[in-house]
Amino acid sequence: QVQLQQWGAGLLKPSETLSLTCAVYGGSFSGYYWSWIRQPPGKGLEWIGEINDDGSTNYNPTLKSRVTISGDTSVNQFSLKLISMTAADTAIYYCARGFRVVHSGWPYFDYWGQGNLVTVSS
Amino acid sequence: DIVMTQSPDSLTVSLGERATINCTSGQSVLYSSNNKNYLAWYQQKPGQPPKLLIYWASTRESGVPDRLSGSGSGTDFTLTISSLQAEDVAVYYCQQYYSSPITFGQGTRLEIK
Repeated sequence: QVQLQQWGAGLLKPSETLSLTCAVYGGSFSGYYWSWIRQPPGKGLEWIGEINDDGSTNYNPTLKSRVTISGDTSVNQFSLKLISMTAADTAIYYCARGFRVVHSGWPYFDYWGQGNLVTVSS
Repeated sequence: DIVMTQSPDSLTVSLGERATINCTSGQSVLYSSNNKNYLAWYQQKPGQPPKLLIYWASTRESGVPDRLSGSGSGTDFTLTISSLQAEDVAVYYCQQYYSSPITFGQGTRLEIK
């Protein structure tokens, strides 16, 4: 059974950098697309970006200038860094496994982490 | 970006009755080369991450009850719960994976009357 376990700091000050890590257990890292998705409290879902097993990344243009997603296939983990955090970045951040048909479209998400509430406040 | 619009924003249905949630995409999410609609549905209960219900617009994920079904093509899609159960109370989201950035609908809150 695939499980995604995520961790990282939950309270940041404005201008600080968010760092989250997600570990994948019970399944292969290869062949999938590993995403970060966020959800402001009481609101909808926003895709942040993804990394695949060869290290290629894709980001949402709205966040691209501030986001870095990296991966370590040797330990089946991937990470998110989001710089220059503001109150507008307060959200629950999820990691998720994406399934994508090769050479066609983008992923849907079949496994999710438990989520981390990240609050930005001075 | 493909804008995904769900209707209604909230829905109240009696136990055992049918619930219908609609999702409209700002452009077609039908891939002509494989005739697949790049549309998924998720269910989110309070304090939990979203759970995948449906992909390719109508393919049920393993373990999802068959009272939940997806339909539609092109730009108009529907999630139907044929006979509402108490455990179906949740917020439901559609998602397009046709183009980047991946986008979600705003969500539909389903409650019991």
